[in-house]
Amino acid sequence: DTEVTQTPKHLVMGMTNKKSLKCEQHMGHRAMYWYKQKAKKPPELMFVYSYEKLSINESVPSRFSPECPNSSLLNLHLHALQPEDSALYLCASSQRAGGVNEQFFGPGTRLTVL
Amino acid sequence: TQLLEQSPQFLSIQEGENLTVYCNSSSVFSSLQWYRQEPGEGPVLLVTVVTGGEVKKLKRLTFQFGDARKDSSLHITAAQPGDTGLYLCAGGQYGGATNKLIFGTGTLLAVQP
Repeated sequence: DTEVTQTPKHLVMGMTNKKSLKCEQHMGHRAMYWYKQKAKKPPELMFVYSYEKLSINESVPSRFSPECPNSSLLNLHLHALQPEDSALYLCASSQRAGGVNEQFFGPGTRLTVL
Repeated sequence: TQLLEQSPQFLSIQEGENLTVYCNSSSVFSSLQWYRQEPGEGPVLLVTVVTGGEVKKLKRLTFQFGDARKDSSLHITAAQPGDTGLYLCAGGQYGGATNKLIFGTGTLLAVQP
């Protein structure tokens, strides 16, 4: 299995809702990432997990809460989002967080905040 | 702040034409990766280069890492509509337990049939 899967594919939520994005990989990778991407722009790093521990938080607002239950799973919990948070949310994984760090991306979750 | 500037920003060409995309920085990178992203999908890793001056070929795509490891180029020969997408370079630096990729500004390529 050489892919990263993300669910849901699309998500529409109101500003008072609570929802979660899920990401899974079975490549034995020990680093996992959340990125946010606006249309036609490069991905922006949000969080990095290394060996199930949060190692980088790029000053992301607390309305985004990551969780890594085990080495294969990564969640992003969403609460009280703003319309400007609408974007494609990408999950990625790599063998390790250091070194050459080739990252493999999932297809993303297209989030719309109303 | 480390920046990776890509040029051109947008490129629209006819099928069969050749093109080159550039990725430039004032910083030295330990590795340089190229990704292609199609609409509504995640980026797909095309290649990783790690040695200054390294050239790698992937079918009609040729990737080069600059001698000083500050820049890279992607050349596509005889472009096809399937090459359409957002091309992203991403630089990595060693030295820490967690290395972030620095993504380039992106090049949006449209190949018309």
